[in-house]
Amino acid sequence: GIQVEQSPPDLILQEGANSTLRCNFSDSVNNLQWFHQNPWGQLINLFYIPSGTKQNGRLSATTVATERYSLLYISSSQTTDSGVYFCAPRTGANNLFFGTGTRLTVIP
Amino acid sequence: DTGVSQDPRHKITKRGQNVTFRCDPISEHNRLYWYRQTLGQGPEFLTYFQNEAQLEKSRLLSDRFSAERPKGSFSTLEIQRTEQGDSAMYLCASSSPPGSGANVLTFGAGSRLTVL
Repeated sequence: GIQVEQSPPDLILQEGANSTLRCNFSDSVNNLQWFHQNPWGQLINLFYIPSGTKQNGRLSATTVATERYSLLYISSSQTTDSGVYFCAPRTGANNLFFGTGTRLTVIP
Repeated sequence: DTGVSQDPRHKITKRGQNVTFRCDPISEHNRLYWYRQTLGQGPEFLTYFQNEAQLEKSRLLSDRFSAERPKGSFSTLEIQRTEQGDSAMYLCASSSPPGSGANVLTFGAGSRLTVL
């Protein structure tokens, strides 16, 4: 299956700071989702972004499929942004492949 | 639309017992997925259904694991003769058919299994 590397593995931010999370993947993809996993384990879909750029409030994401990476931007971070962020690309197969995630802690 | 529902949310069992998890997908979604997540790792794919047909199984799905989706609606994941290594969060997701828009997977809240 596709290999997914996420960086940084851990990130601690002061509330109000901005951050960029990176996801590198090893193969061409036809689908990519970014998820936020909250402290209770629920995976929340943030973006479906196989290519291009999308924005949703304080979050935005960019995928450059030809260079096999995706970025998630978080601006003006809040304590509720804490949790684990997963990138999950998919190739021609039917399942998503997850990286090990970036654990974000936002401190007040 | 109440999202993807999973039951039970938590299960504690003794080694050697059988356990069954249920997943109710979003009603218009014909695709259903099971994933397993262990501590500190990302979710790992287990199996996938399109309607009632099980189309793909991971090598992680040993012969102690079986999944069904008999009428193309809800699905069950059964683990027989549980082992301590089966302790994990079991996640279910569903998605709409291809061509019907973005093929976005929506996850349930998960079923956490602890094997003593």
